[in-house]
Amino acid sequence: QQQVKQSPQSLIVQKGGISIINCAYENTAFDYFPWYQQFPGKGPALLIAIRPDVSEKKEGRFTISFNKSAKQFSLHIMDSQPGDSATYFCAASKDTGRRALTFGSGTRLQVQP
Amino acid sequence: DGGITQSPKYLFRKEGQNVTLSCEQNLNHDAMYWYRQDPGQGLRLIYYSQIVNDFQKGDIAEGYSVSREKKESFPLTVTSAQKNPTAFYLCASSTIQGDQPQHFGDGTRLSIL
Repeated sequence: QQQVKQSPQSLIVQKGGISIINCAYENTAFDYFPWYQQFPGKGPALLIAIRPDVSEKKEGRFTISFNKSAKQFSLHIMDSQPGDSATYFCAASKDTGRRALTFGSGTRLQVQP
Repeated sequence: DGGITQSPKYLFRKEGQNVTLSCEQNLNHDAMYWYRQDPGQGLRLIYYSQIVNDFQKGDIAEGYSVSREKKESFPLTVTSAQKNPTAFYLCASSTIQGDQPQHFGDGTRLSIL
């Protein structure tokens, strides 16, 4: 059973555009929601994370929006750059992140110059 | 620099052979994790450990074994019982404090000869 569903599977955006990736979760015990960025042949690196008591969190060009009632959260990348081309994973964890992560299936983002 | 070191970067397994993947961290993290990544899929949890000499099975533990004799080391053995071992294996670590991210190594790619 897939507990975190991520969409779209792939995304092509023009340079300067907004990239939007969506995730939905089922387990209401999840209380920590990070986003990871992964380049080919590398391990994932944390981009930004949010707790469910906050509806939005922004760090630079990256923003997480969180809708607790709908059990959905999304990543917005403003002013997308070719260097942002990578695979993005949403994830969820219990106990404020002390537990193992449950990952979405990933979104492959390509930013065209 | 603190971080997680996985070795080797590439590994080949013959039929009926056990192979061991190394994971070492110098971040003084208590918790360590092993994930498996297949193309087009998210990361799936194999095993995790929150303290030395203790570890728990994840979602796909069959055909794998681990040990945690030292805080900084968490080796993963892929046994001959794992019939489809070809994948990218990622090791991660974290503190046991809340709201702290998991840090990942750069992975080991295992293939069958």
